[in-house]
Amino acid sequence: KNQVEQSPQSLIILEGKNCTLQCNYTVSPFSNLRWYKQDTGRGPVSLTIMTFSENTKSNGRYTATLDADTKQSSLHITASQLSDSASYICVVSPPGNNRLAFGKGNQVVVIP
Amino acid sequence: NAGVTQTPKFQVLKTGQSMTLQCAQDMNHNSMYWYRQDPGMGLRLIYYSASEGTTDKGEVPNGYNVSRLNKREFSLRLESAAPSQTSVYFCASMKRDSYATDYEQYFGPGTRLTVT
Repeated sequence: KNQVEQSPQSLIILEGKNCTLQCNYTVSPFSNLRWYKQDTGRGPVSLTIMTFSENTKSNGRYTATLDADTKQSSLHITASQLSDSASYICVVSPPGNNRLAFGKGNQVVVIP
Repeated sequence: NAGVTQTPKFQVLKTGQSMTLQCAQDMNHNSMYWYRQDPGMGLRLIYYSASEGTTDKGEVPNGYNVSRLNKREFSLRLESAAPSQTSVYFCASMKRDSYATDYEQYFGPGTRLTVT
């Protein structure tokens, strides 16, 4: 069973609207949880990072939350833009950090 | 500062052929990683090198070998390519020392490999 599950698998949203992506994980304990953005044909790029003691982190229009008790994280995109069309990957780092646990990604398509 | 670079960007191989994927980083990171990404599977770790001179198997090492040539370079070799190795391959690097606090992996642009 995958240690990191993301939902929804894909979604289409109108430009200017908000959306929220979900990540449930079973990795425990963990060092940190990251959200990466992967544009088509490119490598993933880190958006946010949270340690187990943090419960929210923002990066511009992206806001990540973490509930370590329920082992859930979310990524909220505010006022979406066409450039937000990408796959968003939830990644959990166990202690030691070499073998990261990757979710399969949320594919977001923003349409005009 | 180019970050993580990979060559080639695209490659087509016939079954049984061999090739080496090259990766280099200029961030003075000591850890480097090779992943493959397949549709619906997410990123899976093939091999990693925690520091120069060491390599370890990841989740899907069969059919691959690696070489950590020096601190900058980490190559992935397919000795006898199979259609199941058709994938996008990503190299990544990370700073790991007592001063690192965020342990971010920086990814290269990827190599799209097709084995026919």
